[in-house]
Amino acid sequence: DAKTTQPPSMDCAEGRAANLPCNHSTISGNEYVYWYRQIHSQGPQYIIHGLKNNETNEMASLIITEDRKSSTLILPHATLRDTAVYYCIVRVDTGRRALTFGSGTRLQVQP
Amino acid sequence: DAGVTQSPTHLIKTRGQQVTLRCSPKSGHDTVSWYQQALGQGPQFIFQYYEEEERQRGNFPDRFSGHQFPNYSSELNVNALLLGDSALYLCASSFGGQQNIQYFGAGTRLSVL
Repeated sequence: DAKTTQPPSMDCAEGRAANLPCNHSTISGNEYVYWYRQIHSQGPQYIIHGLKNNETNEMASLIITEDRKSSTLILPHATLRDTAVYYCIVRVDTGRRALTFGSGTRLQVQP
Repeated sequence: DAGVTQSPTHLIKTRGQQVTLRCSPKSGHDTVSWYQQALGQGPQFIFQYYEEEERQRGNFPDRFSGHQFPNYSSELNVNALLLGDSALYLCASSFGGQQNIQYFGAGTRLSVL
């Protein structure tokens, strides 16, 4: 699985968009970008994933650059409940394999 | 529909003891993975069970063992506990063609004194 690099922490004002970057410059053509988050005292929660097209669901949007070397998770209107550690994971989409978590980005949404 | 459930939520043991943690996967899921999360770090993969067999294992010693039952529930056993085994133990379940979308339980907090 390709290595990912994320900033250790970010702040965001409540109601504003939170843009969380992830660098994955060694990504292979068949590897997807997955995002999970972990709210304090809970297990990680799946957010969204994509291959090369931008993706949107009820939780967030995922923007992947054309060269696929980086991506951005966007929470369009951050709330205090979005305060969490966000993990970017790159891996192929087949097989029963482990998820490899890095240190993630700790997002603090400020009131 | 209940999600992934883990028991107990908290556990205190002393060095050298043995512990068993339990996990019930989300309904319809057939694969269970276990992770260890030390304070301030991301989860680290321990092993994965499918069809009652260990399919993949992370870099953990043989003191860590597991089991999956016919109803897909799973146990994690740790023998000869060390202080360094103190952590949050997470269980995740998944199914079929969406193995990368794993659903996690809230975890068991193990403290070894």
